[in-house]
Amino acid sequence: QLQLQESGPGLVKPSETLSLTCTVSGGSISSSNYYWGWIRQPPGKGLEWIGSIYYSGSTYSNPSLKSRVTISTDTSKDQFSLKLSSVTAADTAVYYCARQTKGTGILYYFDYWGQGTLVTVSS
Amino acid sequence: DILMTQSPDSLAVSLGERATINCQSSQSILLSSNNKNYLAWYQQKPGQPPKLLIYWASTRESGVPERFSGSGSGTDFTLTISSLQAEDVAVYYCQQYYSTLPLTFGGGTKVEIK
Repeated sequence: QLQLQESGPGLVKPSETLSLTCTVSGGSISSSNYYWGWIRQPPGKGLEWIGSIYYSGSTYSNPSLKSRVTISTDTSKDQFSLKLSSVTAADTAVYYCARQTKGTGILYYFDYWGQGTLVTVSS
Repeated sequence: DILMTQSPDSLAVSLGERATINCQSSQSILLSSNNKNYLAWYQQKPGQPPKLLIYWASTRESGVPERFSGSGSGTDFTLTISSLQAEDVAVYYCQQYYSTLPLTFGGGTKVEIK
């Protein structure tokens, strides 16, 4: 059974960089059939797609966040990571990693999700 | 961006009764070349991550009870729970994947027991 687990600091200071890692077990991120994505959810609010990465390093990011987002992979560890720079209180959210099905040149839906990790931006 | 609008924001349904959730996209998410609607539905229970229920607007994910069904085409979609069970209390989200940049979700519909 595929499992995803987010890890990283739960508290980040304003203007600093948020860094999270997602570890995949029960499968490989090097599968040609999937992208691997990050989605966030501010407390009590809805879902926002942040970005997704293919094992080869190809990425898509939400244009609203693109200038601040870096997503990378470490296929040797079956991990992918998110860095979000210059954070503010508005970036406080539960951050989820998820597996994403794909078509040719297009990303589809998320079929496996991690449990999520709350990141609070505060001094 | 394709805006996804869900209605209602919340609804209360008696056990065993039908629950209907609507999702409208700001432009058609039906690809004419393959006649597929690029829409997914998720269920999120308190303190849990979202769970995929439906994709391609009407294809049920493996293991999802038959009481959950998706319908609609173009810009108007519906998630129906035919006979509400206590374990169906959750927030439900739609997501379009017709346009990758960006992928967008609806605002969510909270389903409660009346």
